[in-house]
Amino acid sequence: DAGITQSPRHKVTETGTPVTLRCHQTENHRYMYWYRQDPGHGLRLIHYSYGVKDTDKGEVSDGYSVSRSKTEDFLLTLESATSSQTSVYFCAMRQDSTGELFFGEGSRLTVL
Amino acid sequence: SQQGEEDPQALSIQEGENATMNCSYKTSINNLQWYRQNSGRGLVHLILIRSNEREKHSGRLRVTLDTSKKSSSLLITASRAADTASYFCATDERNNRLAFGKGNQVVVIP
Repeated sequence: DAGITQSPRHKVTETGTPVTLRCHQTENHRYMYWYRQDPGHGLRLIHYSYGVKDTDKGEVSDGYSVSRSKTEDFLLTLESATSSQTSVYFCAMRQDSTGELFFGEGSRLTVL
Repeated sequence: SQQGEEDPQALSIQEGENATMNCSYKTSINNLQWYRQNSGRGLVHLILIRSNEREKHSGRLRVTLDTSKKSSSLLITASRAADTASYFCATDERNNRLAFGKGNQVVVIP
């Protein structure tokens, strides 16, 4: 579905390099989230945002930072990627009226 | 943060049979949601049940919620091969964050 997109969809990088994943929505929703999905762990919340320049940490925020300078964009940055950050990253936006989340298609990151 | 925990973790059934999966959680919730994930794709919202509701239906889906036992169940009736996916419960902890369980893999055999 349109409405929320992630880029890049796939990335391979080396340990120690910075990585930025982008999430873009066209629905003007206030809340946006970054999750990571790993086998045996399900989805774990990294960071979320409740408005422009308003962000907060999730349960696995160490090693990650986020920024939201515009309603439509939520960026996830790995300042210095490590192999433990190899994962599939999902962005989501929350529909204000119902509370349900709409997910992007995921960004598969491999850190060598 | 709390998580929903699905049970069973994996389920294999014949097409046409019903599939039931359970979710348990630990603290008070605003609502509980179920999502489906097809292989290699993002999660898709299936159904939401509020804390003051006990049962909800949507097509072939039936969700129950027992807040006294802190548990929910998802029933898929008359399963189809296209229902093969992972199913996740997620609890809305009244802080605008959803906590997801580890997921339940369902395989429907044609």
